[in-house]
Amino acid sequence: DQQVKQNSPSLSVQEGRISILNCDYTNSMFDYFLWYKKYPAEGPTFLISISSIKDKNEDGRFTVFLNKSAKHLSLHIVPSQPGDSAVYFCAAASGGYQKVTFGTGTKLQVIP
Amino acid sequence: DVKVTQSSRYLVKRTGEKVFLECVQDMDHENMFWYRQDPGLGLRLIYFSYDVKMKEKGDIPEGYSVSREKKERFSLILESASTNQTSMYLCASSYQGPRGYGYTFGSGTRLTVV
Repeated sequence: DQQVKQNSPSLSVQEGRISILNCDYTNSMFDYFLWYKKYPAEGPTFLISISSIKDKNEDGRFTVFLNKSAKHLSLHIVPSQPGDSAVYFCAAASGGYQKVTFGTGTKLQVIP
Repeated sequence: DVKVTQSSRYLVKRTGEKVFLECVQDMDHENMFWYRQDPGLGLRLIYFSYDVKMKEKGDIPEGYSVSREKKERFSLILESASTNQTSMYLCASSYQGPRGYGYTFGSGTRLTVV
């Protein structure tokens, strides 16, 4: 049972344009959401997060939007750069031990 | 910066062997985790630990066990390796602090069971 879903396995975007990566979740108990970025042969690195009490969090070129009623979040990257090409994982957490459930990932390719 | 070190980048083991994957973190984090990453399945939690000698099953613990004798070290054990355990294994750590902090991952161990 996939509680965190990323329905697009891949996405191609031109350099300078906006990249929008989407994520849906099913567990109403999730109250914290994270995005990770992974390059080949490296571990994922934390990118940005958002608490369920917010609907938007911004960090430089990266913005995460949360729509709790739709159980949907998205990551916007503006402007996209070739170095952003990586696999992006959406993740969600609840409870006190910071156990995190990850999605299946979306491979982003930014074309120069 | 927190560093999470996994002892091997690549391992090839035979079916039936007992396999140890080691993970060490250097920032005194309470929480440590083992995930495996497979194409189309994302990252799936195998086991986690929130204190020394404490362990909790994740979503896919079957065929695995763990050991946490010291705070900085979390070992994943494949009691009898099977081909379906061929995967990328990722260790992570985090602290029990304000909810604003994500995991720090190691670089991963690519295990092939033949």
